[in-house]
Amino acid sequence: ETGVTQSPTHLIKTRGQQVTLRCSSQSGHNTVSWYQQALGQGPQFIFQYYREEENGRGNFPPRFSGLQFPNYSSELNVNALELDDSALYLCASSFSSGGGTGELFFGEGSRLTVL
Amino acid sequence: AQRVTQPEKLLSVFKGAPVELKCNYSYSGSPELFWYVQYSRQRLQLLLRHISRESIKGFTADLNKGETSFHLKKPFAQEEDSAMYYCALGRAHAGKSTFGDGTTLTVKP
Repeated sequence: ETGVTQSPTHLIKTRGQQVTLRCSSQSGHNTVSWYQQALGQGPQFIFQYYREEENGRGNFPPRFSGLQFPNYSSELNVNALELDDSALYLCASSFSSGGGTGELFFGEGSRLTVL
Repeated sequence: AQRVTQPEKLLSVFKGAPVELKCNYSYSGSPELFWYVQYSRQRLQLLLRHISRESIKGFTADLNKGETSFHLKKPFAQEEDSAMYYCALGRAHAGKSTFGDGTTLTVKP
Protein backbone atom coordinates (compact mmCIF):
# COMPACT_ATOMS: atom_id res chain seq x y z
CA GLU A 1 0.00 0.00 0.00
CA THR A 2 1.49 3.34 -1.06
CA GLY A 3 1.12 6.22 1.35
CA VAL A 4 0.49 9.87 0.61
CA THR A 5 3.38 11.47 -1.26
CA GLN A 6 3.97 15.18 -1.80
CA SER A 7 6.31 17.10 -4.05
CA PRO A 8 8.43 19.09 -3.90
CA THR A 9 9.57 18.67 -0.30
CA HIS A 10 11.16 22.12 -0.14
CA LEU A 11 11.00 25.18 -2.35
CA ILE A 12 11.87 28.84 -2.26
CA LYS A 13 9.92 31.50 -4.17
CA THR A 14 9.87 35.26 -4.25
CA ARG A 15 6.94 37.51 -3.51
CA GLY A 16 4.48 37.75 -6.39
CA GLN A 17 5.43 34.42 -7.95
CA GLN A 18 3.16 31.43 -8.36
CA VAL A 19 3.64 27.92 -6.98
CA THR A 20 2.14 24.49 -7.62
CA LEU A 21 2.33 21.74 -5.03
CA ARG A 22 1.45 18.14 -5.83
CA CYS A 23 -0.01 15.28 -3.87
CA SER A 24 -0.58 11.62 -4.65
CA SER A 25 -3.25 10.15 -2.45
CA GLN A 26 -3.07 6.79 -0.74
CA SER A 27 -4.31 3.85 -2.75
CA GLY A 28 -8.08 3.39 -2.37
CA HIS A 29 -8.72 6.95 -1.19
CA ASN A 30 -11.06 9.31 -3.01
CA THR A 31 -10.74 12.52 -1.01
CA VAL A 32 -7.86 14.96 -0.67
CA SER A 33 -7.56 17.82 1.81
CA TRP A 34 -4.93 20.54 1.93
CA TYR A 35 -3.70 22.25 5.07
CA GLN A 36 -1.33 25.12 5.78
CA GLN A 37 0.78 24.83 8.91
CA ALA A 38 2.67 27.88 10.09
CA LEU A 39 5.42 27.52 12.66
CA GLY A 40 4.04 26.78 16.13
CA GLN A 41 0.47 26.36 14.93
CA GLY A 42 -1.79 23.50 14.05
CA PRO A 43 -2.76 22.67 10.47
CA GLN A 44 -5.24 25.17 9.01
CA PHE A 45 -7.79 23.80 6.54
CA ILE A 46 -7.47 25.24 3.04
CA PHE A 47 -9.91 23.08 1.08
CA GLN A 48 -10.96 19.54 0.32
CA TYR A 49 -11.63 17.77 -2.97
CA TYR A 50 -14.07 14.91 -3.25
CA ARG A 51 -14.80 13.28 -6.60
CA GLU A 52 -12.89 16.06 -8.37
CA GLU A 53 -15.08 18.81 -6.87
CA GLU A 54 -14.24 21.26 -4.12
CA ASN A 55 -16.05 20.10 -0.99
CA GLY A 56 -15.45 22.72 1.67
CA ARG A 57 -13.07 25.63 1.92
CA GLY A 58 -11.39 27.38 4.81
CA ASN A 59 -10.68 31.09 5.23
CA PHE A 60 -8.19 31.40 2.40
CA PRO A 61 -8.37 33.90 -0.47
CA PRO A 62 -9.17 32.86 -4.05
CA ARG A 63 -5.50 32.98 -5.01
CA PHE A 64 -5.36 29.58 -3.30
CA SER A 65 -6.86 27.13 -5.77
CA GLY A 66 -6.76 23.43 -6.38
CA LEU A 67 -7.54 20.51 -8.58
CA GLN A 68 -8.24 16.85 -8.14
CA PHE A 69 -7.58 14.47 -11.01
CA PRO A 70 -9.44 11.29 -11.98
CA ASN A 71 -6.76 9.21 -10.24
CA TYR A 72 -7.50 11.24 -7.08
CA SER A 73 -4.14 12.97 -7.04
CA SER A 74 -4.30 16.69 -6.41
CA GLU A 75 -2.58 20.03 -6.90
CA LEU A 76 -2.54 23.15 -4.78
CA ASN A 77 -1.83 26.38 -6.64
CA VAL A 78 -1.01 29.65 -4.96
CA ASN A 79 -0.81 32.83 -7.04
CA ALA A 80 0.72 36.19 -6.16
CA LEU A 81 2.73 34.76 -3.29
CA GLU A 82 3.02 36.81 -0.12
CA LEU A 83 5.58 36.54 2.67
CA ASP A 84 2.90 35.13 5.00
CA ASP A 85 2.40 32.19 2.68
CA SER A 86 5.67 30.76 3.99
CA ALA A 87 4.60 27.55 5.73
CA LEU A 88 4.45 23.79 5.60
CA TYR A 89 1.69 22.64 3.25
CA LEU A 90 0.20 19.30 4.14
CA CYS A 91 -1.84 17.05 1.96
CA ALA A 92 -4.11 14.44 3.52
CA SER A 93 -6.11 11.76 1.78
CA SER A 94 -9.05 9.78 3.07
CA PHE A 95 -11.85 7.57 1.93
CA SER A 96 -15.33 8.96 2.18
CA SER A 97 -18.66 7.68 0.97
CA GLY A 98 -20.32 11.03 1.44
CA GLY A 99 -17.63 13.68 1.39
CA GLY A 100 -17.26 13.77 5.18
CA THR A 101 -14.14 14.03 7.26
CA GLY A 102 -13.02 10.53 8.26
CA GLU A 103 -9.51 9.52 9.21
CA LEU A 104 -6.90 11.62 7.46
CA PHE A 105 -3.66 10.12 6.14
CA PHE A 106 -1.01 12.80 5.84
CA GLY A 107 1.93 13.32 3.58
CA GLU A 108 5.22 14.68 4.86
CA GLY A 109 4.49 18.13 3.54
CA SER A 110 5.99 20.71 1.21
CA ARG A 111 7.96 23.45 2.95
CA LEU A 112 7.44 26.75 1.10
CA THR A 113 9.60 29.77 1.82
CA VAL A 114 8.62 33.10 0.25
CA LEU A 115 11.34 35.76 0.13
CA ALA B 1 -17.84 28.40 13.78
CA GLN B 2 -15.67 25.44 14.60
CA ARG B 3 -12.90 25.95 17.12
CA VAL B 4 -10.49 23.64 18.94
CA THR B 5 -8.48 24.78 21.94
CA GLN B 6 -5.54 22.95 23.44
CA PRO B 7 -4.63 25.08 26.44
CA GLU B 8 -1.18 23.58 27.06
CA LYS B 9 1.58 24.17 24.52
CA LEU B 10 4.02 22.08 26.53
CA LEU B 11 3.46 19.25 28.98
CA SER B 12 6.19 17.39 30.80
CA VAL B 13 5.73 14.31 33.01
CA PHE B 14 7.92 11.57 34.40
CA LYS B 15 7.81 8.03 33.10
CA GLY B 16 5.08 6.06 34.84
CA ALA B 17 3.07 9.14 35.79
CA PRO B 18 -0.46 9.72 34.52
CA VAL B 19 -0.87 12.17 31.68
CA GLU B 20 -3.85 14.17 30.44
CA LEU B 21 -3.78 16.36 27.36
CA LYS B 22 -6.69 18.75 27.30
CA CYS B 23 -8.89 19.56 24.33
CA ASN B 24 -11.96 21.76 24.23
CA TYR B 25 -14.06 22.41 21.18
CA SER B 26 -16.90 24.60 20.02
CA TYR B 27 -19.30 23.38 17.38
CA SER B 28 -23.07 23.63 17.14
CA GLY B 29 -23.64 20.37 15.31
CA SER B 30 -22.73 16.76 15.97
CA PRO B 31 -18.94 16.61 16.24
CA GLU B 32 -16.44 14.00 15.20
CA LEU B 33 -13.35 14.25 17.39
CA PHE B 34 -9.90 12.91 16.71
CA TRP B 35 -6.47 12.88 18.28
CA TYR B 36 -3.51 12.95 15.90
CA VAL B 37 0.11 12.42 16.92
CA GLN B 38 3.40 13.36 15.33
CA TYR B 39 6.49 11.54 16.58
CA SER B 40 9.93 12.96 15.88
CA ARG B 41 10.78 12.85 12.16
CA GLN B 42 7.50 11.14 11.29
CA ARG B 43 4.36 12.34 9.61
CA LEU B 44 1.16 13.26 11.35
CA GLN B 45 -0.97 10.17 12.02
CA LEU B 46 -4.24 9.28 13.66
CA LEU B 47 -4.02 8.12 17.26
CA LEU B 48 -7.69 7.62 18.00
CA ARG B 49 -11.19 8.84 17.17
CA HIS B 50 -14.12 9.14 19.53
CA ILE B 51 -16.55 6.99 17.57
CA SER B 52 -14.31 3.93 17.82
CA ARG B 53 -14.16 4.18 21.63
CA GLU B 54 -10.98 2.12 21.73
CA SER B 55 -7.68 2.40 23.54
CA ILE B 56 -4.61 2.90 21.37
CA LYS B 57 -1.13 2.57 22.90
CA GLY B 58 -2.79 2.85 26.29
CA PHE B 59 -4.43 6.17 25.44
CA THR B 60 -8.15 6.81 25.80
CA ALA B 61 -10.31 9.84 25.17
CA ASP B 62 -13.92 10.40 26.12
CA LEU B 63 -16.16 12.87 24.40
CA ASN B 64 -17.96 15.02 26.96
CA LYS B 65 -20.63 16.97 25.09
CA GLY B 66 -21.73 18.83 28.20
CA GLU B 67 -18.25 20.24 28.77
CA THR B 68 -17.40 20.20 25.04
CA SER B 69 -14.17 18.41 25.81
CA PHE B 70 -12.22 15.48 24.42
CA HIS B 71 -9.27 15.08 26.74
CA LEU B 72 -6.61 12.45 26.01
CA LYS B 73 -5.49 10.31 28.94
CA LYS B 74 -2.97 7.63 29.74
CA PRO B 75 -2.51 6.19 33.22
CA PHE B 76 1.22 5.43 32.93
CA ALA B 77 3.25 7.51 30.49
CA GLN B 78 6.17 5.96 28.62
CA GLU B 79 9.20 7.71 27.12
CA GLU B 80 8.08 6.68 23.62
CA ASP B 81 4.91 8.74 24.13
CA SER B 82 6.98 11.92 23.75
CA ALA B 83 5.53 13.63 20.67
CA MET B 84 3.32 16.46 19.43
CA TYR B 85 -0.39 15.79 19.91
CA TYR B 86 -3.16 17.53 17.98
CA CYS B 87 -6.85 17.44 18.74
CA ALA B 88 -9.07 17.77 15.67
CA LEU B 89 -12.76 18.37 15.05
CA GLY B 90 -14.40 17.02 11.92
CA ARG B 91 -17.86 16.92 10.47
CA ALA B 92 -19.85 14.22 8.76
CA HIS B 93 -20.67 15.05 5.16
CA ALA B 94 -18.44 18.08 5.05
CA GLY B 95 -14.77 18.34 4.37
CA LYS B 96 -13.40 20.66 6.99
CA SER B 97 -11.29 19.42 9.89
CA THR B 98 -10.26 21.99 12.48
CA PHE B 99 -7.06 21.35 14.40
CA GLY B 100 -5.87 22.76 17.68
CA ASP B 101 -2.39 24.24 17.92
CA GLY B 102 -1.01 21.10 19.53
CA THR B 103 0.59 20.04 22.79
CA THR B 104 4.19 18.88 22.95
CA LEU B 105 4.40 16.04 25.44
CA THR B 106 7.76 15.17 26.94
CA VAL B 107 8.06 12.08 29.11
CA LYS B 108 11.19 12.19 31.22
CA PRO B 109 12.99 9.04 32.40
